Amino acid sequence: EAGVTQFPSHSVIEKGQTVTLRCDPISGHDNLYWYRRVMGKEIKFLLHFVKESKQDESGMPNNRFLAERTGGTYSTLKVQPAELEDSGVYFCASATGRYTQYFGPGTRLTVL
Amino acid sequence: KQEVTQIPAALSVPEGENLVLNCSFTDSAIYNLQWFRQDPGKGLTSLLLIQSSQREQTSGRLNASLDKSSGRSTLYIAASQPGDSATYLCAVGLNEKLTFGTGTRLTIIP
Repeated sequence: EAGVTQFPSHSVIEKGQTVTLRCDPISGHDNLYWYRRVMGKEIKFLLHFVKESKQDESGMPNNRFLAERTGGTYSTLKVQPAELEDSGVYFCASATGRYTQYFGPGTRLTVL
Repeated sequence: KQEVTQIPAALSVPEGENLVLNCSFTDSAIYNLQWFRQDPGKGLTSLLLIQSSQREQTSGRLNASLDKSSGRSTLYIAASQPGDSATYLCAVGLNEKLTFGTGTRLTIIP
């Protein structure tokens, strides 16, 4: 069974540009989560989807971040426009209910 | 607001020793607690999940315990091996989101 996959693995963009990160959860997992770790800090929750619905987006830092999960399958996280403080590693995880969350390898975003 | 602390931040032990990693959290109203390992440049690998009603979970050489009332969890690794070298993270779950600690970087010395 394939695990959680994320694309790209690394993205380098300039301040003000737009970047879209993609996450493909484990097949059959209705719950999809986005987290991120900025340099030197702990991993922090961004938002949670159940199928295509946003269940909790309390961790989204501001309105420059937009997450979607069309059709309840893969999800995208768009940052527009990117700022320097958005640099970090963005992780996606999926789960079936309140059980083990399985994490992807992460996307390392560098904003110059 | 839930806060998760892991002490020590780094730990080095000789191969073959047993060791304990610690995790503490401030709010005991949790659904579960999950231990992960992260290798450099890699994602998170789930090691053990303890539900709030459980006291411990075991997988191979790993044993995780949970004491909700005191806000503590430990991860016990028996007979450590060089391949155990990694950063270990604990995360407490509430309302289906995880709150992470900053991790313990473990180095096993051959």
